[in-house]
Amino acid sequence: ILNVEQSPQSLHVQEGDSTNFTCSFPSSNFYALHWYRWETAKSPEALFVMTLNGDEKKKGRISATLNTKEGYSYLYIKGSQPEDSATYLCAFKGSRRDDKIIFGKGTRLHILP
Amino acid sequence: SAVISQKPSRDICQRGTSLTIQCQVDSQVTMMFWYRQQPGQSLTLIATANQGSEATYESGFVIDKFPISRPNLTFSTLTVSNMSPEDSSIYLCSVEKGDRGRGYFGPGTRLTVL
Repeated sequence: ILNVEQSPQSLHVQEGDSTNFTCSFPSSNFYALHWYRWETAKSPEALFVMTLNGDEKKKGRISATLNTKEGYSYLYIKGSQPEDSATYLCAFKGSRRDDKIIFGKGTRLHILP
Repeated sequence: SAVISQKPSRDICQRGTSLTIQCQVDSQVTMMFWYRQQPGQSLTLIATANQGSEATYESGFVIDKFPISRPNLTFSTLTVSNMSPEDSSIYLCSVEKGDRGRGYFGPGTRLTVL
């Protein structure tokens, strides 16, 4: 059974502070790792699609790294703002034809004013 | 990209009744996916809806409980049948486009079963 684990489950961060959280996934048959942001009452929105070992991607204050050999990805948020409050999901897709996308349980981020 | 709408956005239902959730995509897609997220759990794939053929259900999900329709390439419905409180979840429809299976999601249907 393939497992995607995210930690921590929940996180409270003071506005202006930087933070990061982790996604671990199977290190074999890797195809892609996706990060999504899911705000309450909205659709999950794709942040990054990561495909190569060593990938680093950035979007404004948010960035992500990927290590496919050891099976982990970090998401970093620099200078947290209230609008960063959301659940951050990672999703693993394997390389076999019938592989489905497997989601982690998410990290729920609360930014404190 | 894809823009997806879902309705209803939320509902409160009685045990034993059924609810049909609709999903509309702004472009034609071959596959549409139905997920649910129970409280404290991962987004879990229920089934893949293909136009012109029966849906493919994941382990633990059956057609009698979650019948799916896919009448055309932009629309699908998921019915949650004979509901119990354990069916209280957020239900999402999704499509994959482009970039290595990048997902686009509807806003979800928040279902509470009393």
